Amino acid sequence: QKEVEQNSGPLSVPEGAIASLNCTYSDRGSQSFFWYRQYSGKSPELIMFIYSNGDKEDGRFTAQLNKASQYVSLLIRDSQPSDSATYLCAVTGSGGGADGLTFGKGTHLIIQP
Amino acid sequence: ETGVTQSPTHLIKTRGQQVTLRCSSQSGHNTVSWYQQALGQGPQFIFQYYREEENGRGNFPPRFSGLQFPNYSSELNVNALELDDSALYLCASSVDREGTQYFGPGTRLTVL
Repeated sequence: QKEVEQNSGPLSVPEGAIASLNCTYSDRGSQSFFWYRQYSGKSPELIMFIYSNGDKEDGRFTAQLNKASQYVSLLIRDSQPSDSATYLCAVTGSGGGADGLTFGKGTHLIIQP
Repeated sequence: ETGVTQSPTHLIKTRGQQVTLRCSSQSGHNTVSWYQQALGQGPQFIFQYYREEENGRGNFPPRFSGLQFPNYSSELNVNALELDDSALYLCASSVDREGTQYFGPGTRLTVL
């Protein structure tokens, strides 16, 4: 049974600070890792993807991957109230697309003005 | 470039009925994946269609079935609806079976 674990939160961060979101996964064969943002009542929106160990930066967002520890994280710098949402970590299985994405339950992030 | 679209937006059905949900993939994408998202949970993979064939399936019973058409649009059919089928149904398209998935706005299904 493939699993993706996230702290459900809520995680409360002051405006302008760094928000750190974490995710662990169970399938060592996972190859691709994604962070989606989901506002209440809306569908998931892709924020970042990462395939290789290390860091990947895109604007205020940095994704970090450590395959040995089976750990993925998302850092949001200069947090804004508009960043308040649920952040979903998703991974592919060792079977690739045929396995679909396995999602965590999401971390509810609140940016306090 | 048109993104992923889904219809209808909302749907109310009663237990035992059947429902069909529709999805149009993003331009240039040939793969559609369907997910069910219950309240407070992450999306769960139902199945994936690639070039009109089912490419993979999650842990859902056979009463969940699908189709993909030559224009790569897709349908999700659910027979014998149960109360637990109430959820947000999400369609995602990708450039191929392994591509990054982009989600449509979803269909909110309520089963009474």
